[in-house]
Amino acid sequence: EDKVVQSPLSLVVHEGDTVTLNCSYEVTNFRSLLWYKQEKKAPTFLFMLTSSGIEKKSGRLSSILDKKELFSILNITATQTGDSAIYLCAVDHSNTGKLIFGQGTTLQVKP
Amino acid sequence: IAGITQAPTSQILAAGRRMTLRCTQDMRHNAMYWYRQDLGLGLRLIHYSNTAGTTGKGEVPDGYSVSRANTDDFPLTLASAVPSQTSVYFCASSTDRGDTQYFGPGTRLTVL
Repeated sequence: EDKVVQSPLSLVVHEGDTVTLNCSYEVTNFRSLLWYKQEKKAPTFLFMLTSSGIEKKSGRLSSILDKKELFSILNITATQTGDSAIYLCAVDHSNTGKLIFGQGTTLQVKP
Repeated sequence: IAGITQAPTSQILAAGRRMTLRCTQDMRHNAMYWYRQDLGLGLRLIHYSNTAGTTGKGEVPDGYSVSRANTDDFPLTLASAVPSQTSVYFCASSTDRGDTQYFGPGTRLTVL
């Protein structure tokens, strides 16, 4: 059965800390892995990863994929209270566009 | 402003009633999707459409139906709502299947 597992499920840190969120997957015919940030409402797109070892970076956020070990990490450096959100990992398999989502990691950044 | 809109924002519904959740995008995206989000389960795909005139079943299609008469609109219908369909429903779209999906603001549905 295809599945995506995120860890930890929740995390509380203080401003300025660095956090690492994990996403492991078992899917047939992997095509891409996506990270989304969800605050009050709609998930907003962060990264799409298709190749191993190539880091994607946007400001204080970065992500990398390991297709051999079947996982991805999302790093956030110098966290701010505005980073508080649910971070979702999803995998697209077989080029179907049908994403399989993990449970999400709820991050709370305290002042 | 280009994007995806959903209506209603929230709804309380009696069990057994019929309900249609609306989704409209103006980005001329070919592919559209409906997800439900439940605590501890993440987002799960209900139905999808790769192009106007075609639809397909996702992970949890039972109790739901969709239609895709044109590119812009992708309504989701609950023929006879049950309490287990209480959830937050998100519509999403992408240029084509397999491309990055962009999400609407969601509809919070409560079935009593």
